[in-house]
Amino acid sequence: EVQLVESGGGLIPPGGSLRLSCAASGFSFSRYEMNWVRQAPGKGLEWVSYISSSGSTTYYADSVKGRFTISRDSAKNSLYLQMNSLRPEDTAVYYCARNVLLAHYFDSWGQGSLVTVSS
Amino acid sequence: QSVLTQPPSVSGAPGQRVTISCTGSSSNIGAGYDVHWYQQLPGTAPKLLIYDNNNRPSGVPDRFSGSKSGTSPSLAITGLQAEDEADYYCHSYDSSLSGYVFGSGTKVTVL
Repeated sequence: EVQLVESGGGLIPPGGSLRLSCAASGFSFSRYEMNWVRQAPGKGLEWVSYISSSGSTTYYADSVKGRFTISRDSAKNSLYLQMNSLRPEDTAVYYCARNVLLAHYFDSWGQGSLVTVSS
Repeated sequence: QSVLTQPPSVSGAPGQRVTISCTGSSSNIGAGYDVHWYQQLPGTAPKLLIYDNNNRPSGVPDRFSGSKSGTSPSLAITGLQAEDEADYYCHSYDSSLSGYVFGSGTKVTVL
């Protein structure tokens, strides 16, 4: 069974940093492209970042470019999101999501990790 | 503000048919990129409902269907059931943004 489990969320003051993790199991993690998607309270879904299966290619939404860094460790079957210079508008539930092989849609999602940016 | 536009809400009585539209632009849906749909039940993570415009993953009831007539994709739910009350999002790729985009979301209410 495919499982994605996020961790690392919490309350952080504006300007602070936080690293989210996503532990993958039940599939060959190194073969799959991965993403982070967030959802602000009461709002819709917003794609945040993408990483290729090898980790060599990454993309970011304009809203986080230069502040967030996506990475992966295939030896640990884990995906990460390093978030720096956090702003109140970054407050959201952050989901990791798996791309279907060679396709542009997400077939598996984690349960989400809440990040709250507030003083 | 979302790149893809959906109606904020639709509603219908049990057994009725409802449709949800998803409007994009020439850099995403208009460029020919496929559209996918997700269902998000209250308090849960999104779930893939339709992929590549009109395909259902295994386990998704056939009362859910997707279409993409020209550049106007839509999701239809026929035989509406109480358990279909949820938020629905369309999703595609945008070449000018070099990234994925989601619709603004539509809340389906079963009357």
